[in-house]
Amino acid sequence: AQTVTQSQPEMSVQEAETVTLSCTYDTSENNYYLFWYKQPPSRQMILVIRQEAYKQQNATENRFSVNFQKAAKSFSLKISDSQLGDTAMYFCAFRISAQGGSEKLVFGKGTKLTVNP
Amino acid sequence: NAGVTQTPKFRILKIGQSMTLQCAQDMNHNYMYWYRQDPGMGLKLIYYSVGAGITDKGEVPNGYNVSRSTTEDFPLRLELAAPSQTSVYFCASSYLRQSNSPLHFGNGTRLTVT
Repeated sequence: AQTVTQSQPEMSVQEAETVTLSCTYDTSENNYYLFWYKQPPSRQMILVIRQEAYKQQNATENRFSVNFQKAAKSFSLKISDSQLGDTAMYFCAFRISAQGGSEKLVFGKGTKLTVNP
Repeated sequence: NAGVTQTPKFRILKIGQSMTLQCAQDMNHNYMYWYRQDPGMGLKLIYYSVGAGITDKGEVPNGYNVSRSTTEDFPLRLELAAPSQTSVYFCASSYLRQSNSPLHFGNGTRLTVT
């Protein structure tokens, strides 16, 4: 079964500090893509960062970076210099392309992050 | 640039009623998706489409139907609404398969069935 597990339902961090959200996944596929999406109270889903499984180098986007450990099937998100606007639900997801043209994007249950002033 | 537009934003249905959730994208994306998000849960795929005229089931298709007559539009139909279909529905689109193309999401439709 292809699953995504986010073991931290809720987390909080002080403004300007660093926080790491964990994500593990299970798949037998070799080629896939990993994503972190952010969902603020406005409900919109916003892409934070993406990682190709074939790349060993960890992706970074400004204050956001990932620690991708393919052998361990781990894909954690680090947010540096946390800002109040980072308060949101964060979803880890991976996407694979299967035979016959089907496509799967599997989401975790999310981690609710609160940034405190 | 409108992106992915969903209508309506909110809707209350009585059990057994029918409705169509509309989704349109103006980015010329091939792939379109419908997800539902239940409280405290991630997104689950209902249906998806790889292009006009082609649709396929996702994880939770029962109780829903879709069509894709044009590249831009991907409506989701609920024929006999049930309380279990109370959820937030998201439409999404992407450009390419087998790539790191991210999904572009609409703002969601909150549906309550009573």
